[in-house]
Amino acid sequence: DAGVTQSPTHLIKTRGQQVTLRCSPKSGHDTVSWYQQALGQGPQFIFQYYEEEERQRGNFPDRFSGHQFPNYSSELNVNALLLGDSALYLCASSFGTLNSPLHFGNGTRLTVT
Amino acid sequence: AQTVTQSQPEMSVQEAETVTLSCTYDTSESNYYLFWYKQPPSRQMILVIRQEAYKQQNATENRFSVNFQKAAKSFSLKISDSQLGDTAMYFCAFMKPHVRQGNLIFGKGTKLSVKP
Repeated sequence: DAGVTQSPTHLIKTRGQQVTLRCSPKSGHDTVSWYQQALGQGPQFIFQYYEEEERQRGNFPDRFSGHQFPNYSSELNVNALLLGDSALYLCASSFGTLNSPLHFGNGTRLTVT
Repeated sequence: AQTVTQSQPEMSVQEAETVTLSCTYDTSESNYYLFWYKQPPSRQMILVIRQEAYKQQNATENRFSVNFQKAAKSFSLKISDSQLGDTAMYFCAFMKPHVRQGNLIFGKGTKLSVKP
């Protein structure tokens, strides 16, 4: 049973460019949450998707947007990249209820130069 | 706004010994959830233990247990019989009740090294 998979593993982009990160949730999960983890910090919540809509959002600018597809997979898009967007981006999935624990992927390391 | 503070950036413990990691949080909510997550070098966050604020009893999971002091807003993690595989970053996290888990507020983490 595959867990949460994220692609790509690493990515290097130039300031001002746009990037798309992808996440496939664990089998049976329908909810995807995205986090940004800067070096030496704890993860920060970006947003959550279920039923193909953004349901919760953290304190991130509109440059950060997302999408969830009918198969529950999700994308995180970041426009007009800044140097400060360099971080590990983590995807977590869960199912249905509040008691369903989060399962995290191994993340995508984004470097903006 | 809720905040989570981990005051110990780094800790070390000898194999088979016991270690306690500290966490304090600030909230005006009466009901919430608290978590400890482990992040090894593989980068994957792994749930260690979870506590629901309305439950008085401290959660335990094998060698891991918590000391939850609601009035003091303290949530420490005790690791007994430490093993080399426990070496990792440990993050304390807070979550308000919502329909689904997802919006966790994490502390900055404690780097734990278990020495042979």
